[in-house]
Amino acid sequence: DTAVSQTPKYLVTQMGNDKSIKCEQNLGHDTMYWYKQDSKKFLKIMFSYNNKELIINETVPNRFSPKSPDKAHLNLHINSLELGDSAVYFCASSLGLAGGLGNTGELFFGEGSRLTVL
Amino acid sequence: DQQVKQNSPSLSVQEGRISILNCDYTNSMFDYFLWYKKYPAEGPTFLISISSIKDKNEDGRFTVFLNKSAKHLSLHIVPSQPGDSAVYFCAASVGRILTGGGNKLTFGTGTQLKVEL
Repeated sequence: DTAVSQTPKYLVTQMGNDKSIKCEQNLGHDTMYWYKQDSKKFLKIMFSYNNKELIINETVPNRFSPKSPDKAHLNLHINSLELGDSAVYFCASSLGLAGGLGNTGELFFGEGSRLTVL
Repeated sequence: DQQVKQNSPSLSVQEGRISILNCDYTNSMFDYFLWYKKYPAEGPTFLISISSIKDKNEDGRFTVFLNKSAKHLSLHIVPSQPGDSAVYFCAASVGRILTGGGNKLTFGTGTQLKVEL
C-alpha cells in the first residue's frame, strides 16, 4: 500500500496549457504539502494545508492553485504553464504541525511527479 | 537566500568505511534538524533527526551531530553499505521547541553518496 501517492508520475505538455497533479495519502495525516524540486535539485516548499486549510503559501505564482477537498487529498492545478515550471513536484504529508511531543516533524513524501513543459 | 547548505554535491566512500555528510545553516532560529535519504525515482524518506537541545542522536549505523555554535550538522554512517548509495538531504525547521512551526522544512540541495565495493 502506497502511503502517499501522486498522479501522474510523468507529465509532458506544451507551454500555455493547464494541468493538474493529484495527491492522496492513506496515513490519516492532517497536514499535506507540495514541494518543488527544480533543476538545481533545490527542494522548496510551495504550499501546506492543515485540515483543509491553507497554512503555508510561499512566494509562488498565482498560476499555481492548490485544492484540498478533504484531509486525505491535496491537488495542484497549474494554469498557463511556462518553461520554468518544469520540475519534479513532490507531495508530502505529516501528522499535525511541528512541535509537540511524539511528533518527529517527519514528512512522508510521494514518489514525485516530473513535469516537462515544452 | 539558501538557509541550509550542503556544499558537497557528491561523496564516494568504500564499503565498510565511514561516510560523513555535512550540512551548514544560517538561520539561528532553526531548532530541529532532519536527514532524508532519496533513491532515484522515489520520494525522500526520513532517516534521522535531532533537536537543538541535543548535540548527538544515534540510530543504528546512523549518527547525527549538531554543533550549534558553528551552525553545522553532520551525518555519520558507519559502516557504509552499497545500499546506502543515495542522495542525502539535510533539512531544518523553526518551532519544534516553541511549537507552531508548521512543519515548514527548509532543505539543502543534497549530497549524492556512492558506496563502492
